[in-house]
Amino acid sequence: KAGVTQTPRYLIKTRGQQVTLSCSPISGHRSVSWYQQTPGQGLQFLFEYFSETQRNKGNFPGRFSGRQFSNSRSEMNVSTLELGDSALYLCASSLGQGEEKLFFGSGTQLSVL
Amino acid sequence: GENVEQHPSTLSVQEGDSAVIKCTYSDSASNYFPWYKQELGKGPQLIIDIRSNVGEKKDQRIAVTLNKTAKHFSLHITETQPEDSAVYFCAAETRSPNNDMRFGAGTRLTVKP
Repeated sequence: KAGVTQTPRYLIKTRGQQVTLSCSPISGHRSVSWYQQTPGQGLQFLFEYFSETQRNKGNFPGRFSGRQFSNSRSEMNVSTLELGDSALYLCASSLGQGEEKLFFGSGTQLSVL
Repeated sequence: GENVEQHPSTLSVQEGDSAVIKCTYSDSASNYFPWYKQELGKGPQLIIDIRSNVGEKKDQRIAVTLNKTAKHFSLHITETQPEDSAVYFCAAETRSPNNDMRFGAGTRLTVKP
């Protein structure tokens, strides 16, 4: 069974640009959650999608958005990039029934210059 | 919302010794408490989890204890090995079925041979 796949693995952008990250969950998983990981802030919850609907959202500005497709694949978009957006962005999938293990991808390392 | 605190931030032990990592949480409604291990260049991987109706759970050299009254839970690793060196994260989930996992800041464990 293939794991969670995130693409691209690395990204370099400049301030003001926008970026789209992709996540393919484990087959059969309907929930996809996104996290931002930085050395200073740890793992911060961005949002969760289930059956193409955003079911939960963390405390991030509106520049961070996402969506989920009918095949459960998800994309995350960050507009008007800032230096502080440099981080490892992790995607995790699960069945979506709550109180269950999350399966993480290896992440996309975003550097904003 | 939920707030998870984790201590210590770094831990160094000799091979064969035990390691203990402690976490506290704020939301008494939290019911699910997983522990994740993150190795360099990889996403976090679940190593053990516990639910609020259980006080202790063990899996070979790893054990987790939960004190719901005091709102704290701990990870115990016995007979540590160099391959246990990694960053460990505790987490707490409050809402079900929404996936809203809140993570501690992480503990970098180093096992010296």
